[in-house]
Amino acid sequence: SYELTQPPSVSVSPGQTASITCSGDKLGDKYASWYQQKPGQSPVLVIFQHDKRPSGIPERFSGSNSGNTITLTISGTQAVDEADYYCQSWDSTSVIFGGGTKLTVL
Amino acid sequence: EVQLVETGGGLIQPGGSLRLSCAASGLTVSSSYMTWVRQAPGKGLEWVSIIFSGGTTSYADSVKGRFTISRDNSKNTLFLQMNSLRADDTAVYYCARVTQHCSPTNCHAGALDYWGQGTLVTVSS
Repeated sequence: SYELTQPPSVSVSPGQTASITCSGDKLGDKYASWYQQKPGQSPVLVIFQHDKRPSGIPERFSGSNSGNTITLTISGTQAVDEADYYCQSWDSTSVIFGGGTKLTVL
Repeated sequence: EVQLVETGGGLIQPGGSLRLSCAASGLTVSSSYMTWVRQAPGKGLEWVSIIFSGGTTSYADSVKGRFTISRDNSKNTLFLQMNSLRADDTAVYYCARVTQHCSPTNCHAGALDYWGQGTLVTVSS
């Protein structure tokens, strides 16, 4: 079965750039998205189709892809960005999520 | 404004059944791709099931044969019928809308752009 691999945790200092990776076989050729989830809240779509931002998502969130890896980048990270982040793609008609990355801003 | 409201969660004994509902407003369930995603306590997101606008369905291996996704077009509501529940089905269950990306010849599923607030299902004796 298809799998997406994320690092369990990433730490960043306020104002710095955070990068969260997600790897999967030929992931760069698939439709992929990123979600932010804060404690006790529902997930929120922050990046779709690798590098597009939904309306209302700050410009500091960006996405990129290269081969088997996609990357979520948060520029000028703020304390409010501390959350769990999940990548997501598709395996035929099945939704696949990565295991999630806890972003700590310290 | 799109709103998805899940109901039907609760405490249920192992082996029991439960039906979750997801009432939608601001979108039409019958012409949308709709999905269920769950999250066990302290764990990550796990996809459960999807129903496409044409009625085709798909399930995660962990629930196949036990769960059934359906919709009531007249009520603009999505359902998840859960049978033979087990302790490891304990989770918050979210419904979500999946975007569609269509070419002249076909459509593909995209991102989960709208999510409900979730409903907690606890399977325990």
